[in-house]
Amino acid sequence: DTGVSQNPRHKITKRGQNVTFRCDPISEHNRLYWYRQTLGQGPEFLTYFQNEAQLEKSRLLSDRFSAERPKGSFSTLEIQRTEQGDSAMYLCASSFTSGDLGETQYFGPGTRLLVL
Amino acid sequence: AQKITQTQPGMFVQEKEAVTLDCTYDTSDPSYGLFWYKQPSSGEMIFLIYQGSYDQQNATEGRYSLNFQKARKSANLVISASQLGDSAMYFCAMRERNSGGSNYKLTFGKGTLLTVNP
Repeated sequence: DTGVSQNPRHKITKRGQNVTFRCDPISEHNRLYWYRQTLGQGPEFLTYFQNEAQLEKSRLLSDRFSAERPKGSFSTLEIQRTEQGDSAMYLCASSFTSGDLGETQYFGPGTRLLVL
Repeated sequence: AQKITQTQPGMFVQEKEAVTLDCTYDTSDPSYGLFWYKQPSSGEMIFLIYQGSYDQQNATEGRYSLNFQKARKSANLVISASQLGDSAMYFCAMRERNSGGSNYKLTFGKGTLLTVNP
């Protein structure tokens, strides 16, 4: 049983460039989440999908950020016109709907973004 | 106000000893869940243990146990018989039943860096 995978693992870009990250969840998981983690902080919620529907977006997700999950499987997170403040670890997690609070989110290894 | 507070930026423990990592939380929701995750230097968040607000007994998973004190709103992680491979960041997180209409997202603390000394 493979876990959550994310690509690329590392990305260095220049300010103003666009970047796209990919997340492949655990195959039977219908829920997918994106979080952002900056240095010295815990992960912060960005957005959430149930199947292909994006059901919630954090106010942290400015209009330069867009996320998709076109067929309810993998997801992409795109950042347009990157800024130095976008430098962070971007974590993807997935879970299977159980309907209770103990539904566990399983995380991928993250994509570490550095904007120069 | 912080929803999850982890007051120990760093902790040291000798190999084979037990260690307690503190976590306090703030919620007015009667239904919530508390999670602990481990994050090694590689970056991946590894799920360790879960405690529900209505669970009568403290959760245990192998060498991990959760000291849940509901009235004090604390959910401390106890690691017994520490191993060198336990050196990592540890995060406490909470899911609330009614967090703005959604009960899906986790809210994390800032973490505690645990170092196990040989």
